[in-house]
Amino acid sequence: KQEVTQIPAALSVPEGENLVLNCSFTDSAIYNLQWFRQDPGKGLTSLLLIQSSQREQTSGRLNASLDKSSGRSTLYIAASQPGDSATYLCAVRGTSGTYKYIFGTGTRLKVLA
Amino acid sequence: DADVTQTPRNRITKTGKRIMLECSQTKGHDRMYWYRQDPGLGLRLIYYSFDVKDINKGEISDGYSVSRQAQAKFSLSLESAIPNQTALYFCATSPGEASIYGYTFGSGTRLTVV
Repeated sequence: KQEVTQIPAALSVPEGENLVLNCSFTDSAIYNLQWFRQDPGKGLTSLLLIQSSQREQTSGRLNASLDKSSGRSTLYIAASQPGDSATYLCAVRGTSGTYKYIFGTGTRLKVLA
Repeated sequence: DADVTQTPRNRITKTGKRIMLECSQTKGHDRMYWYRQDPGLGLRLIYYSFDVKDINKGEISDGYSVSRQAQAKFSLSLESAIPNQTALYFCATSPGEASIYGYTFGSGTRLTVV
C-alpha cells in the first residue's frame, strides 16, 4: 500500500531564503507525482506535475525533482516571498489498479517578512 | 464566479442527521471527485464520477453516497452523520485524466458533526 510522507509538517523561513520541501513515497511504481498549494479557505492549486519518466519540472521560482528509485521528490522554492506562505501537498498516482492519487499530509510554510 | 462552487462553505450538524454537500462547476469537465481532508491524514478520495452514468467508490466511501445530477453537478450525502465525519470536504473536477490535465478544486466545505 502506497504511503506518502511529508516532513517537516511546518516550516518558517525569513523572506528571500531558498528552501526545499520533501515528499517521500513507499512504492516506487508510480505513474506521476503532483505538487499542490493549499491556501486557508481555498481549494488546492496544482503547481507542478512530474511524469515517472521525468527527473524534474520547473515553473518560475519553483522546481520539483523526482527520484523514483529512492522514493523521493523535492519542491525547491527560490527567493521565498511572504506570498508563498501556504500548505504544500504532494500526491502520487500509482501505475496499477483503479485511478487514484495518494496525498501526503502537507508542509505548512510560513515566509516571514 | 468560481469555476467549482461548493455549498455550504461551513455546516454544523447533529449526529444522525442527513446532510447533503453540493458541488457545481462551470468548467465543462466530465470528471468530478469528492475528497475529505483530515489533519494528519491528507486528502482521501470518497467517490468519483467520469460521467453522469459512471460513478465509482473511492477509498473511504462507507457512510457516504453521491448523485451526479448533471454533468455540472455532483452531490455528496451523509445519510446519518457521525462525529468522525467531521472534516474538510473538497470537490474537484478534471477534463480527462487528472494526471495529464490536472484538477480544479472547489474552496471546500467545513463540516462539523456534533
